[in-house]
Amino acid sequence: EVQLVESGGGLVKPGGSLRLSCAASGFTFSSYSMNWVRQAPGKGLEWVSSISSSSSYIYYADSVKGRFTISRDNAKNSLYLQMNSLRAEDTAVYYCARARGENDAFDIWGQGTMVTVSS
Amino acid sequence: DIQLTQSPSFLSASVGDRVTITCRASQGISSYLAWYQQKPGKAPKLLIYAASTLQSGVPSRFSGSGSGTEFTLTISSLQPEDFATYYCQQLNSYPRVTFGPGTKVDIK
Repeated sequence: EVQLVESGGGLVKPGGSLRLSCAASGFTFSSYSMNWVRQAPGKGLEWVSSISSSSSYIYYADSVKGRFTISRDNAKNSLYLQMNSLRAEDTAVYYCARARGENDAFDIWGQGTMVTVSS
Repeated sequence: DIQLTQSPSFLSASVGDRVTITCRASQGISSYLAWYQQKPGKAPKLLIYAASTLQSGVPSRFSGSGSGTEFTLTISSLQPEDFATYYCQQLNSYPRVTFGPGTKVDIK
């Protein structure tokens, strides 16, 4: 079964750090670009970051640039998001999502992991 | 940045109704548009990509059309399991994609 499973969410104080993980299974992980998308409570979807299949190309939303780092380990079929200098406005459910291809939709999503930034 | 608007933002409909949701882009995006369905507490589910191509496994009552700046998602006969929030997504500026604000479809 094609699947993405996120982990690593939790409660963190403003200014703190957290590392999210996304474990992929059921497909050739190394062939796909991967993304992080977040959704604040009661709000819409916001793209956060993207990494190409070989990690050659990495992109960030302006809202997280300089604070978040996306990475992947194709040998472990895993995607990561290192989040530093967290702010209250980073509170959201974070989803990892597979892109079908370049300029293409996100066809596989994880179940999401909640990140709460609060003192 | 390419902005997306959706109309209506909220829609009340009955089982069996034909439902149409519109997504407009602030500039032309060719056919680089996708539609997602999201139910409470669940991840988004891809319905339509490339503006009009039905994702595998999605019922044929869902259809998409449009190109350039105006797109529509149509549900030909609303079913109980279709009550959800629907988002459009532009992929013209991939990977810096953006999503529309969503349309919530509720039971009348």
